[in-house]
Amino acid sequence: DAGITQSPRHKVTETGTPVTLRCHQTENHRYMYWYRQDPGHGLRLIHYSYGVKDTDKGEVSDGYSVSRSKTEDFLLTLESATSSQTSVYFCAISVGYRETQYFGPGTRLLVL
Amino acid sequence: TQLLEQSPQFLSIQEGENLTVYCNSSSVFSSLQWYRQEPGEGPVLLVTVVTGGEVKKLKRLTFQFGDARKDSSLHITAAQPGDTGLYLCAGEGETSYDKVIFGPGTSLSVIP
Repeated sequence: DAGITQSPRHKVTETGTPVTLRCHQTENHRYMYWYRQDPGHGLRLIHYSYGVKDTDKGEVSDGYSVSRSKTEDFLLTLESATSSQTSVYFCAISVGYRETQYFGPGTRLLVL
Repeated sequence: TQLLEQSPQFLSIQEGENLTVYCNSSSVFSSLQWYRQEPGEGPVLLVTVVTGGEVKKLKRLTFQFGDARKDSSLHITAAQPGDTGLYLCAGEGETSYDKVIFGPGTSLSVIP
């Protein structure tokens, strides 16, 4: 157990509404990541953080923003959800940037 | 752009059979990881291989990193229903600027 929780675990929302997903860790790891997982695409990096208030874009960052005001929390926000953002979202943590990543249980998001 | 391909995409076998899944790329990786993901959960790291030609064994699972560090294979001996899941490979690029990329996965179903 890597001490990672994600909330909510499931969410249904409508197109155009804002959505925030939360990742919480108890390990005090410096690096945190948000991925989305879609059939045929595997895991794709959305954004990652290398410390409080330090974040950077990943492969598929358009339409997403993140914030990290505390070491233990990393928030992913969809400012105006679209149906193409229907996916399963995973948070991960690692000790170092290229170190082993440990994943949370995921959030299943459906945008109608 | 680095890409990882996995084959086969789907595999359904009887309990007791042997199987091999593959992870291939045209890029060189400094290390490669294999994860297993069960339905409704996040990926869990199985092994990391870092040296070209390296072979690692984890009970009935044998992992091999290609000599050129562009490909890897996972061999399962005498598959059991508990081996059912999505197997993902992930590669770390050679430079410190390279992010970890994931393959699309092989979905394995072992029928009792």
